[in-house]
Amino acid sequence: EAGVVQSPRYKIIEKKQPVAFWCNPISGHNTLYWYRQNLGQGPELLIRYENEEAVDDSQLPKDRFSAERLKGVDSTLKIQPAELGDSAVYLCASLGGDTDTQYFGPGTRLTVL
Amino acid sequence: AQSVTQLDSQVPVFEEAPVELRCNYSSSVSVYLFWYVQYPNQGLQLLLKYLSGSTLVKGINGFEAEFNKSQTSFHLRKPSVHISDTAEYFCAVIPDNTDKLIFGTGTRLQVFP
Repeated sequence: EAGVVQSPRYKIIEKKQPVAFWCNPISGHNTLYWYRQNLGQGPELLIRYENEEAVDDSQLPKDRFSAERLKGVDSTLKIQPAELGDSAVYLCASLGGDTDTQYFGPGTRLTVL
Repeated sequence: AQSVTQLDSQVPVFEEAPVELRCNYSSSVSVYLFWYVQYPNQGLQLLLKYLSGSTLVKGINGFEAEFNKSQTSFHLRKPSVHISDTAEYFCAVIPDNTDKLIFGTGTRLQVFP
């Protein structure tokens, strides 16, 4: 079984530039999460999808962050414009068939200069 | 608000020695408890989880954890560590009145030869 796929793995941009991250969850997983992991910290939830519906986006900074999951499978997280403080690892996870275990992708490490 | 405390940010240990990584959570209700491991430049991988039943939970790679409700703890243990166990370990909880996974700040286990 293929795991959660994320791309790119690394991204370096200058501040004020836009950036997008892509996630393909495990096949059949209806729930998808985006987390941000700052250096030396645990992941923090940004947004959760049930199929194509965002059911929890309370922690998403909506002035500059947006996300979509148009067909209920792949998802894209966008930042526009990026700020220095956005440097972090952005993790995608999907929820498994046992409904209790989230499976994580390798993450995208974003560096904003 | 629910929180997870990992008191030790770093734990150095020699190969083949036993190790315990501590985790405490704040909650007056039932929780689901998890330990994840993160190897360098990789996503999080589930080590073990406690949902209900036996308080001693065995996971992958020889790790185990014990749920102690009276002390609100879920410490992770391994009787003999290997160099390959060097990684970041995250404790996480899902309070039973939510479906949100809340992470601790992580403990870096460094195994020396």
